[in-house]
Amino acid sequence: DIQMTQSPASLSASLGETVTIECRASEDIYNGLAWYQQKPGKSPQLLIYNANSLHTGVPSRFSGSGSGTQYSLKINSLQSEDVASYFCQQYYDYPPTFGSGTKLEIK
Amino acid sequence: EVKLVESGGGLVLPGASLKLSCIVSGFTFSDYWMRWVRQAPGKGLEFIGEIKPDGSKTNYAPSMKGRFTISRDNAKNTLYLQMSSVRSEDTATYYCARLGGIIDVMDAWGQGASVTVSS
Repeated sequence: DIQMTQSPASLSASLGETVTIECRASEDIYNGLAWYQQKPGKSPQLLIYNANSLHTGVPSRFSGSGSGTQYSLKINSLQSEDVASYFCQQYYDYPPTFGSGTKLEIK
Repeated sequence: EVKLVESGGGLVLPGASLKLSCIVSGFTFSDYWMRWVRQAPGKGLEFIGEIKPDGSKTNYAPSMKGRFTISRDNAKNTLYLQMSSVRSEDTATYYCARLGGIIDVMDAWGQGASVTVSS
């Protein structure tokens, strides 16, 4: 299975700041990467697919980038509603595997 | 509106069986692959398996093969997860999710069904 290593495990930032979450795959996943947001007590929701394509309805302050084994999720102008856990997931190879998650809090 | 609603969770004894259901609405269920994903308390997400739109094929994560069975009833717009010989490590919230039509990402999720395995 492809291992997904996500960092940091937790993150605290101020409103309006820009934050970046990293995800590293154990082998090349050729942009087969998605990011999900999971708000407290809720189910995960798709944010980004194909490493950098924004899912329908997702605010443009979210963006994804990367290639090969290294990917990142950036959130510009942090808002209070962005408090959540974020998970990366590779779908290049079977079985699909997830990163361990990043818990984002407001400072 | 796309909606997925899981049910059937609860407290179950070790070694017992349990069947979760996921009723969907707002889209043509029979057009989509469907998946089950679980999340242990305070932990990350874990893929369980998936089923083809017509129900003719299932795939499972290697660690899930044998004790979990996914099925569907397209006439009832319902997805199922049969769990057998459950153990404490199966304690988790179980989510059903729709696999996007073109890209292999989960673009709609249920609210989750909580399963606690304990004596």
